[in-house]
Amino acid sequence: GAGVSQTPSNKVTEKGKYVELRCDPISGHTALYWYRQSLGQGPEFLIYFQGTGAADDSGLPNDRFFAVRPEGSVSTLKIQRTERGDSAVYLCASSLLGLGGQETQYFGPGTRLLVL
Amino acid sequence: KNEVEQSPQNLTAQEGEFITINCSYSVGISALHWLQQHPGGGIVSLFMLSSGKKKHGRLIATINIQEKHSSLHITASHPRDSAVYICAVVNSGGSNYKLTFGKGTLLTVNP
Repeated sequence: GAGVSQTPSNKVTEKGKYVELRCDPISGHTALYWYRQSLGQGPEFLIYFQGTGAADDSGLPNDRFFAVRPEGSVSTLKIQRTERGDSAVYLCASSLLGLGGQETQYFGPGTRLLVL
Repeated sequence: KNEVEQSPQNLTAQEGEFITINCSYSVGISALHWLQQHPGGGIVSLFMLSSGKKKHGRLIATINIQEKHSSLHITASHPRDSAVYICAVVNSGGSNYKLTFGKGTLLTVNP
């Protein structure tokens, strides 16, 4: 009974580089969410997938951020031309039915991204 | 002003004490979540509620929709309860899948 997993757990990169963060949701969960958590803050919504499609990407801060979920399971968050302000913990969550806030979301341990 | 405000920001207690963490919000909501985050660890969902009260073990969550307020109580607190407790709401006027989070309350329970 694996939970949500995220890789890598830590990523250090240089300003301007490209990074990919991976999320493996709980098997069978239709919905997947990405959040970003800065130090001392609560998580902030980035994007929501229902199946393979991004149902809402309104939380992505700008066009350097992009996420995919091609087969409706694993998702990858991609950040181009990273900036120091992108440094944060990136959290992934999944839920069974895609009811969003109306059902329990299961969170992964997060990827801690540091942009130097 | 943030949509979700939590108080206190930090809370220190002695083992065995009764703990209350508060969450106030400024929008109409369809659901409210309480979550727990251990240092360096992931987030665990504790409760989801839209009315009344829920209890799980030593944890109790209440919500007053009219007053736009929720409380999380911990009875007989223990050092292992030390964590950040986060309140999150679903705005009933927005997307039903989008959680808006408070900044969290850091609870430290000393033995």
